[in-house]
Amino acid sequence: AQSVTQLGSHVSVSEGALVLLRCNYSSSVPPYLFWYVQYPNQGLQLLLKYTTGATLVKGINGFEAEFKKSETSFHLTKPSAHMSDAAEYFCAVSLPNAGNMLTFGGGTRLMVKP
Amino acid sequence: KAGVTQTPRYLIKTRGQQVTLSCSPISGHRSVSWYQQTPGQGLQFLFEYFSETQRNKGNFPGRFSGRQFSNSRSEMNVSTLELGDSALYLCASSLGDSPYSGYTFGSGTRLTVV
Repeated sequence: AQSVTQLGSHVSVSEGALVLLRCNYSSSVPPYLFWYVQYPNQGLQLLLKYTTGATLVKGINGFEAEFKKSETSFHLTKPSAHMSDAAEYFCAVSLPNAGNMLTFGGGTRLMVKP
Repeated sequence: KAGVTQTPRYLIKTRGQQVTLSCSPISGHRSVSWYQQTPGQGLQFLFEYFSETQRNKGNFPGRFSGRQFSNSRSEMNVSTLELGDSALYLCASSLGDSPYSGYTFGSGTRLTVV
């Protein structure tokens, strides 16, 4: 079985500062990895995804994540936070050949201070 | 193209009643998955339907059921509602057999049980 841990349920940064949201996973086989963002009263929007290949993945809105197999991590970063980045972020995994089923982490609420 | 449409957006039901939620996937998508989101348990997978067949099921009681029609539209039903069923119910549609191939969430149905 797979699991996802997001360290820090709340992260606060100043506008213009680096954003770092942490995600560690546990899986018996190399998983597919995803980051989603959720704005209030909305569904989930895909930021980026990783399956194989280049371990540094670039997504929308200036976000990127690096897959580190040895650390079983997939941390999300953005060099400079914007007020519009304030939202809840979810890391998720799925297993190859297991159909369309995502296992989510508990989420991290990002607050951006002016 | 139109996104994933969930109806209704908001719903209030009384304990003991039953409820049916609807999800219309993106045109051409044959897989529909359902998730429950609560503050306490986070995002949890309910079930997935592919070409009218349930392919995966999460760890939920039998009161939660679903089905998919030949046009790929899906419904989920919750019988004998409990207060703990209050949640945001999200559906996602997928083009292929994995979330990597394109997995889009709807805006959700917020169910309140009183």
